[in-house]
Amino acid sequence: AQSVAQPEDQVNVAEGNPLTVKCTYSVSGNPYLFWYVQYPNRGLQFLLKYITGDNLVKGSYGFEAEFNKSQTSFHLKKPSALVSDSALYFCAVRDSGNTPLVFGKGTRLSVIA
Amino acid sequence: NAGVTQTPKFQVLKTGQSMTLQCAQDMNHEYMSWYRQDPGMGLRLIHYSVGAGITDQGEVPNGYNVSRSTTEDFPLRLLSAAPSQTSVYFCATERGGGYTFGSGTRLTVV
Repeated sequence: AQSVAQPEDQVNVAEGNPLTVKCTYSVSGNPYLFWYVQYPNRGLQFLLKYITGDNLVKGSYGFEAEFNKSQTSFHLKKPSALVSDSALYFCAVRDSGNTPLVFGKGTRLSVIA
Repeated sequence: NAGVTQTPKFQVLKTGQSMTLQCAQDMNHEYMSWYRQDPGMGLRLIHYSVGAGITDQGEVPNGYNVSRSTTEDFPLRLLSAAPSQTSVYFCATERGGGYTFGSGTRLTVV
């Protein structure tokens, strides 16, 4: 069975500093990995995904994520945080078959001016 | 191109009432799914469908029914609402590894 762990419920970072939101996963077979962002009272917006290829994936709004197979991790990163990045971030995984997407519990990012 | 449309956006039900949450998509995606979002729990899968006439249970299916008579529509039915079903419900479609989510239905059961 697939699973995702987001070990931090909350991440605080100062504006302009780099940010990292952590995600580890467990899946049988090759993973499809995703990051989504949710702003207050909104649906989920797609940020980026890894299916195959380069381990460093670039996505929307300047975010990127690095796939690390040996550590089963897919951490979300951004070189310079903005106050507008404050939101709830979800990591998700599925295997390469036609299985449903499994989500982590989410990490609330707070960027302080 | 509307994508994934969920109705209603908000609903208050009394315990024991029934209702149907609607989900419609115009992208001709075969795969559709329903999730519920609760604080500290992330999104949990309720039911999913890989095509018209085919449905399957997810992680938390109890208290919910689904059917898929067309590619476009995937309604979620609550037969007898309970306070534990107070949540935000999201419908999603998938194609080629990309998921598209609706804007959600916020349901309160009193």
